[in-house]
Amino acid sequence: SQQGEEDPQALSIQEGENATMNCSYKTSINNLQWYRQNSGRGLVHLILIRSNEREKHSGRLRVTLDTSKKSSSLLITASRAADTASYFCATDRGSRDDKIIFGKGTRLHILP
Amino acid sequence: DVKVTQSSRYLVKRTGEKVFLECVQDMDHENMFWYRQDPGLGLRLIYFSYDVKMKEKGDIPEGYSVSREKKERFSLILESASTNQTSMYLCASSFAALLLSSGVNTEAFFGQGTRLTVV
Repeated sequence: SQQGEEDPQALSIQEGENATMNCSYKTSINNLQWYRQNSGRGLVHLILIRSNEREKHSGRLRVTLDTSKKSSSLLITASRAADTASYFCATDRGSRDDKIIFGKGTRLHILP
Repeated sequence: DVKVTQSSRYLVKRTGEKVFLECVQDMDHENMFWYRQDPGLGLRLIYFSYDVKMKEKGDIPEGYSVSREKKERFSLILESASTNQTSMYLCASSFAALLLSSGVNTEAFFGQGTRLTVV
């Protein structure tokens, strides 16, 4: 399985601080994506980074990808209470294999 | 807006029953997925379909089957429900990755989930 592993499993930070979550994966990939899940709901796509990209920004989100280390990080700057959720990385191998494989997730809790 | 709709939010079934979970998407996506989500285990892929009548096993296909007779609909079937299949089931759809070079985004869109309890 190419399942990713997020690190840490759980993270609690004060509102306004930055939150960093990491993801490691096992096999070569085409794309890596990050998703958010609010409690008991479906997942919502946050950002996609292709294997030939090293960094991507979207609003308060910054994603990096290091294919040599098979790892990615998600940085959420200036965290807000509404950022409290679980965050998952997901990988696919592109046209060789379209399956999207998820990691176990990081539970982020923003303290007021 | 892309919509992925799962037929039920909550379902309670008895052990041994045949259970159908239905998923419909309205974006003409080639790919559709069924995952189950359990605490501490994240999302695990049960089955994947990349076209009508085409399917591939995921990581945990045992005890499940799927059907994709139409492009917009992907059904998950529990042939004989067991208590260890109590879980949250999530359906998703996406465009095919080979379209990525055409500028199409291959992000997955999820349904709201079905919480299945087998008693």
